[in-house]
Amino acid sequence: ETGVTQTPRHLVMGMTNKKSLKCEQHLGHNAMYWYKQSAKKPLELMFVYSLEERVENNSVPSRFSPECPNSSHLFLHLHTLQPEDSALYLCASSQGGAKRVDTQYFGPGTRLTVL
Amino acid sequence: QKEVEQNSGPLSVPEGAIASLNCTYSDRGSQSFFWYRQYSGKSPELIMSIYSNGDKEDGRFTAQLNKASQYVSLLIRDSQPSDSATYLCAVIRGGSQGNLIFGKGTKLSVKP
Repeated sequence: ETGVTQTPRHLVMGMTNKKSLKCEQHLGHNAMYWYKQSAKKPLELMFVYSLEERVENNSVPSRFSPECPNSSHLFLHLHTLQPEDSALYLCASSQGGAKRVDTQYFGPGTRLTVL
Repeated sequence: QKEVEQNSGPLSVPEGAIASLNCTYSDRGSQSFFWYRQYSGKSPELIMSIYSNGDKEDGRFTAQLNKASQYVSLLIRDSQPSDSATYLCAVIRGGSQGNLIFGKGTKLSVKP
C-alpha cells in the first residue's frame, strides 16, 4: 500500500459511454498525476496538478478531462473513448508540488477496456 | 532519439547471481533518476533514487549514476525469483517541473 488508492480497479466501457476514474491520496502530498500505460510503450504522463492547479497537459485528447477538486482527490472523466484508449491508467502523487524533485508514489491503477 | 532508453530484455539470470540493468538518457541537464519495479498487472513501486554521480546502495540494490556518460544502472545482488519483474528507469529532465520521463522497462527473469 502506497497511500494512493484508485477506483475502479477494472472498467469496461463502450465508445459512447461516460465514466470517471477516481484517485485519492492519503499522504498529504501537493501534486497529483495521471499516467497512461499501454502495452509495449513507456508510461506516458497525461496531466499534472500542483496545489489543485493544472500545470501540465501533455497533448491529451479532449475526450479525457481531468478534475482536481482538492489536493487529495483527482478524477479523470472519460467520454466517447476509442478502443486504442484501452490501457492501464495510473495515478501518482508527490509531496512538494510539481516543481520540486520529489519521489512519486503510484496507485494500483485502473485497467480500462474500451469496446 | 528516445529520451530514456532501456533494453527491453528479457534479461535472464540464475538465482544468486548479480543482475545488471542499464539505462541511458538523452537530456544532459537531467537531474534526478529513479528505478521502479513493476510486477505483472501491478503498478510501479519505487526501488531506488539517485541524484549525484557514483554509487548508492540499499540492501541488495545498488544504483550507479554517470552523468558524463548519461548512464544510470541498477545492480541486484543475490538475485531471487521474487525479483522477477519489469524494471523501469525514470528521469526528471533539467528545467522540468518535476515530471518523470520513463523508459519502456527491462523485463528481468530470475531462474531458480
